Amino acid sequence: DAKTTQPPSMDCAEGRAANLPCNHSTISGNEYVYWYRQIHSQGPQYIIHGLKNNETNEMASLIITEDRKSSTLILPHATLRDTAVYYCIVRVGGGLYNFNKFYFGSGTKLNVKP
Amino acid sequence: NAGVTQTPKFQVLKTGQSMTLQCAQDMNHNSMYWYRQDPGMGLRLIYYSASEGTTDKGEVPNGYNVSRLNKREFSLRLESAAPSQTSVYFCASSEARTGAGNTIYFGEGSWLTVV
Repeated sequence: DAKTTQPPSMDCAEGRAANLPCNHSTISGNEYVYWYRQIHSQGPQYIIHGLKNNETNEMASLIITEDRKSSTLILPHATLRDTAVYYCIVRVGGGLYNFNKFYFGSGTKLNVKP
Repeated sequence: NAGVTQTPKFQVLKTGQSMTLQCAQDMNHNSMYWYRQDPGMGLRLIYYSASEGTTDKGEVPNGYNVSRLNKREFSLRLESAAPSQTSVYFCASSEARTGAGNTIYFGEGSWLTVV
């Protein structure tokens, strides 16, 4: 599975949009981009995932570039409770594949400030 | 719907003691996993079970054993605990299926300290 690169930390003002970048330049055509977050050593929480189209759910939006070499997670209106470490992960999805190669790097520590 | 449940949540062990971390999921998932997370680090896979009756080593299996007791339960055993095994342990589960990428769900973690 492809590896990812994320900035170690970012700040965001409360109420503003938080845009978290991720580079995955070696991603393969059948690899999905996943985003998880971890709030203060709780279990990682699923946010969103996508293959090549942009995705949106009640938590966030995922923008994947046309060449799929990078993506951005957007939290439209960040709150203090969104302060967490955000992980960008790529893996092959579906079929016989499971998460035995679901590698978590160090992620991005998002600090939402009042 | 509880999702993934781990016990105990906190445990202190003396070096050389043994213990078992229990994990159960109620989502009827085929695959289950044990990760560890050291301070300031990402998660590392210890063992996984792709389906009931199978288990395989992950990235850091040394010092651990696992048992997939049934489809719901996946336990992690430390036979002779060492201080290097002080960590937070997360159990997770996922459903392997065709089509769109699926997701993995995590428990809330078990804090283990070995003194």
